Amino acid sequence: EVQLVEAGGGLVQPGGSLRLSCAASGFSVSYSHMGWVRQAPGKGLEWVSVIHERGDTYYSDSVKGRFTISRDNSKNTLSLQMNSLRVEDTAIYYCARDYVSPARFGYWGQGTLVTVSS
Amino acid sequence: EIVLTQSPGTLSLSPGERATLSCRASESISSSDLAWYQQRPGQAPRLLIFGAFARATGIPDRFSGSGSGSDFTLTISRLEPEDFAVYYCQHYGGSPKYTLGQGTKLEIK
Repeated sequence: EVQLVEAGGGLVQPGGSLRLSCAASGFSVSYSHMGWVRQAPGKGLEWVSVIHERGDTYYSDSVKGRFTISRDNSKNTLSLQMNSLRVEDTAIYYCARDYVSPARFGYWGQGTLVTVSS
Repeated sequence: EIVLTQSPGTLSLSPGERATLSCRASESISSSDLAWYQQRPGQAPRLLIFGAFARATGIPDRFSGSGSGSDFTLTISRLEPEDFAVYYCQHYGGSPKYTLGQGTKLEIK
């Protein structure tokens, strides 16, 4: 059974950094397309970043240059390093895995809340 | 950059009724790159439909997707109480880039 469990959320001041992790089980992250999707309080879903099976990484314009996605194949985990955090980065961050192709996310974690506030 | 516009913003229906949700793209897109998600309150999103028409594993057959070009539809044939939720359409485009619609809230009338 595919399971994704996020961790690392919390309260951080504007300009600070935070690292999210996503522990995967039931499959190998090294053979999957994995991504992060966030949801600001009371708002819709917003794609943040993706790492493809070959290791290519991509980011939304809103986080490019500040966030870095990576994976640790030995630990079967996905990470999101978030630097220069802004108030508008406050959201629940979901880890997700592709479904059949990278065009959609078919497996989701429960999410971890990141709050950027002074 | 493709923009997805969902309508209506809120849809009020009763259990047993038929729901029709719309997703319109700002330009023509490939059906293979269009997906629909359901998000219940306090839960993570769940993939319902991919490739515009195909149901994901475990999705009841009362959910169906249709459309082509720039107009796509999610239909729920007979609403069950657990279907009242927010629904999002999503496009996978070049770069790559994942674009999501703003959502349609399906509420109990």
